[in-house]
Amino acid sequence: QSVLTQPPSLSAAPGQKVTISCSGGSSNIGNNYVSWYLQVPGTAPKLLIYANNKRPSGIPDRFSGSKSGTSATLGITGLQTGDEADYYCGAWDSSLSAGVFGGGTKLTVL
Amino acid sequence: QVQLVESGGGLVKPGGSLRLSCEASGFTFSDYYMSWVRQAPGKGLEWVSYISSGSSFTDYADSVKGRFTISRDDAKNSLYLQMNSLRAEDTAVYYCARVVDVWGKGTTVTVSS
Repeated sequence: QSVLTQPPSLSAAPGQKVTISCSGGSSNIGNNYVSWYLQVPGTAPKLLIYANNKRPSGIPDRFSGSKSGTSATLGITGLQTGDEADYYCGAWDSSLSAGVFGGGTKLTVL
Repeated sequence: QVQLVESGGGLVKPGGSLRLSCEASGFTFSDYYMSWVRQAPGKGLEWVSYISSGSSFTDYADSVKGRFTISRDDAKNSLYLQMNSLRAEDTAVYYCARVVDVWGKGTTVTVSS
């Protein structure tokens, strides 16, 4: 059971918008930065969002991040078939003194 | 370009040891916190350990505490993970990551008799 909670799967049509939720607590999301990662199966995770809502260079503005209280959200607009992947949220947990991840959300673009 | 390359994975028997290495290039390694994250087959990401710049601070997941040791050699731009008393549940792809933005391609550790 992951410390951060994500929906196991989501699906949407090309061109649509999707949001992926990540729910935690005061010791992690509530008081620390959230990062979001994309992972195509068989490859390494890739950073999409850091510090709750900042995009690294090279990440298109179709990807956005937000945080409110103990929950965070990844938004993806203009869905493309190439966006099919597993998406993970991550944060530091001050009580556990450990990094924590969500269980991952498998996004299907159909 | 910024790159992390892991090595040292392999097949080891339960109770055995393995040392993973991660060689960094393209950035000032000594300035950054570094971490290890693993992913068991068909499972999600699991944070394993981190080490601060200057090696002042380290921390470990409860699942590996007392068995794994993280270290770094800034002169060699390298990060290490010494894994002892390995168990079947340690079987995973182990990723070296610069906190929080750059990841290596991973090295596979299989613990099996």
